[in-house]
Amino acid sequence: AQSVTQLGSHVSVSEGALVLLRCNYSSSVPPYLFWYVQYPNQGLQLLLKYTTGATLVKGINGFEAEFKKSETSFHLTKPSAHMSDAAEYFCAVSDLAGGGNKLTFGTGTQLKVEL
Amino acid sequence: ETGVTQSPTHLIKTRGQQVTLRCSSQSGHNTVSWYQQALGQGPQFIFQYYREEENGRGNFPPRFSGLQFPNYSSELNVNALELDDSALYLCASSSTGGAYEKLFFGSGTQLSVL
Repeated sequence: AQSVTQLGSHVSVSEGALVLLRCNYSSSVPPYLFWYVQYPNQGLQLLLKYTTGATLVKGINGFEAEFKKSETSFHLTKPSAHMSDAAEYFCAVSDLAGGGNKLTFGTGTQLKVEL
Repeated sequence: ETGVTQSPTHLIKTRGQQVTLRCSSQSGHNTVSWYQQALGQGPQFIFQYYREEENGRGNFPPRFSGLQFPNYSSELNVNALELDDSALYLCASSSTGGAYEKLFFGSGTQLSVL
C-alpha cells in the first residue's frame, strides 16, 4: 500500500521568505507524485506533478518540487512567499497498482503567510 | 468549458437517513472519482467510475454506493448515515482516468450528520 507523510500540519512564514513544505512517500513501485492546494471553501487545484523524467518539477504560482528517490521525498518549495499563498497544501501519490487515478493524500499542511 | 460542479453545497441529515450527492464532470471528461475529506484530514478515496462502470474502490463500506450516467455525471449515495459520515465530499473528474492525470475537483458538498 502506498502512503504519504506530510511533516508539519501548520507552517508559518513571513511574506517574501522561502516556503518549504515537506512530503515523504512510501511506495512499492515508482510513484507518480502530486501537490494540490486547497483555498478556503474551494476544491483542490493541482500545483504540480512528477511522473517520469526530470526530477525537478515546476508548477503554477512559482512553486516547484524535487523528487528524491533516495530520500523518498517530494518537498514543495517557493523562493518568496506571497500573502495569496496562504492555503492548505496536500501531497498525494497515485496508486498505480490499482489502476485508474486513485490518489492517496497526506493529512495536509496549512500555510500561513505573515506580513 | 465548464468546471466540475457539485450539489448541494451544504446538507444536514440525521443519523440513519439516506443522502444523495450529485456531480457534473468537466466537459469532455469520462472519469469521475469521489473523495471524503473529514475535518483536518486529507481527502480519502471512496470510488471511481469510468464510462459508467465502477473502476476502483477505497476502504468504504457498501452503504456508500454510486452511479455514473451516460453524460458522465455522477451520484454518491450513502445509506444509514452515521455521525462519522460528517465530512466534505469532493468529486473530481479527469479525461481518461490515467494514473498520471490531473484531477479537476469541485468545491464539494459539506454533509453534517446530527
